[in-house]
Amino acid sequence: EVQLVESGGALVQTGGSLRLSCTASGFMFSTYGMNWVRQAPGKGLEWISYISSSSTTIFYADAVRGRFIISRDNARNALYLQMNSLRVEDTAVYYCARDTGRDRNNIELDYWGRGTLVTVPS
Amino acid sequence: QSVLTQPPSASGTPGQRITMSCSGSSSNIGRNYVYWYQQFPGTAPKLIMYRNNQRPSGVPDRFSGSKSGTSASLAISGLRSEDEADYYCSAWDESLSGPGMFGGGTKLTVL
Repeated sequence: EVQLVESGGALVQTGGSLRLSCTASGFMFSTYGMNWVRQAPGKGLEWISYISSSSTTIFYADAVRGRFIISRDNARNALYLQMNSLRVEDTAVYYCARDTGRDRNNIELDYWGRGTLVTVPS
Repeated sequence: QSVLTQPPSASGTPGQRITMSCSGSSSNIGRNYVYWYQQFPGTAPKLIMYRNNQRPSGVPDRFSGSKSGTSASLAISGLRSEDEADYYCSAWDESLSGPGMFGGGTKLTVL
């Protein structure tokens, strides 16, 4: 069974840093691209970053580029999101999600974790 | 403000057929596949449509998708109370803003 479990969410002050982790199981992690998607309270989904299976291709949304860093450790079946210079508007549930890789230049998310909450109080 | 535009709400009665739209541009829907996700309150999203009109295993055939030009639609026939959820469209955007894009979501209410 495919499982994705996020951790690391916390309450952090403006300007602070946080590292989220996503532990994968039930599939060959090293062969799939992975994504982070967030959802602010009461708001819609916002894609924020993608990393290819071998970490050679990385994309960021404008809202986090230069502040967040996505990475992965295939030996540990783990995905990470280093979040720096946090802002109030970064408050959200952060989901990791697997990309099927079915089609080039498309992001298709077939498995999602339950999410971890990051709160940056005003 | 998302580059994919969805109506914020839709509603229907049990048994009815409803459609919800997703409007984009030539940099996203116009040249790439559209995906649809269903999300119930407090839970993670679930993929319910890929490659514009393909259903993953386990998704009822009451759900169907279509795409024309720079717009896409999700239709649900034989509406059921358990279909009440938020629905998001998604498409790769080839602008500099980053490839992953979601619409703002449509909240479906079954009356």
